[in-house]
Amino acid sequence: QQPVQSPQAVILREGEDAVINCSSSKALYSVHWYRQKHGEAPVFLMILLKGGEQKGHEKISASFNEKKQQSSLYLTASQLSYSGTYFCGTEDPGGSNSGYALNFGKGTSLLVTP
Amino acid sequence: DSGVTQTPKHLITATGQRVTLRCSPRSGDLSVYWYQQSLDQGLQFLIQYYNGEERAKGNILERFSAQQFPDLHSELNLSSLELGDSALYFCASSVNPLQGAILNGYTFGSGTRLTVV
Repeated sequence: QQPVQSPQAVILREGEDAVINCSSSKALYSVHWYRQKHGEAPVFLMILLKGGEQKGHEKISASFNEKKQQSSLYLTASQLSYSGTYFCGTEDPGGSNSGYALNFGKGTSLLVTP
Repeated sequence: DSGVTQTPKHLITATGQRVTLRCSPRSGDLSVYWYQQSLDQGLQFLIQYYNGEERAKGNILERFSAQQFPDLHSELNLSSLELGDSALYFCASSVNPLQGAILNGYTFGSGTRLTVV
């Protein structure tokens, strides 16, 4: 089942912060975050496993609340290079197969301006 | 270069035709995933193969099929093409997922842009 991301789009000035949310109606095993720049392939940022952990990648961090079935991506002191579309991918346990394929949200478009 | 190779990069074909998209996973990755990306739907999971066997199926149409060969490369076959099949098709690979979590994430190829006219 496709997770829901919000907001759909964000415009920031360089140096500002942003939060992107990802929620699911199903229990989650893990949450992945990817960034895709225009015309390029998605690039893996980080994975969060159930347990409420937080992780960081440069000035980008994320949290995972398994009880609420939500994850949030935090971008602090945004840089021009952060522009792109951010996708969360969720993996839920107990599926009919053991493939562990990710279901991606529709993405959040982030534009950082000078 | 991500290590995942997809060919061709662009494909233009007519409705009703059949095409084959090819993917070579990153060295050492046993699992291959196919995704379709369109503007309004984002990344839609189609199908996954692990070490030659089908492992998971998503929203894959009956007109579409895939396989993974002994050398681990994979092919996605799209037949009786319709205008709505126009999209970017991504292949991704990952390390062994059987431990219950894809700890290292997916590595995506650069995609094949399919245009059906």
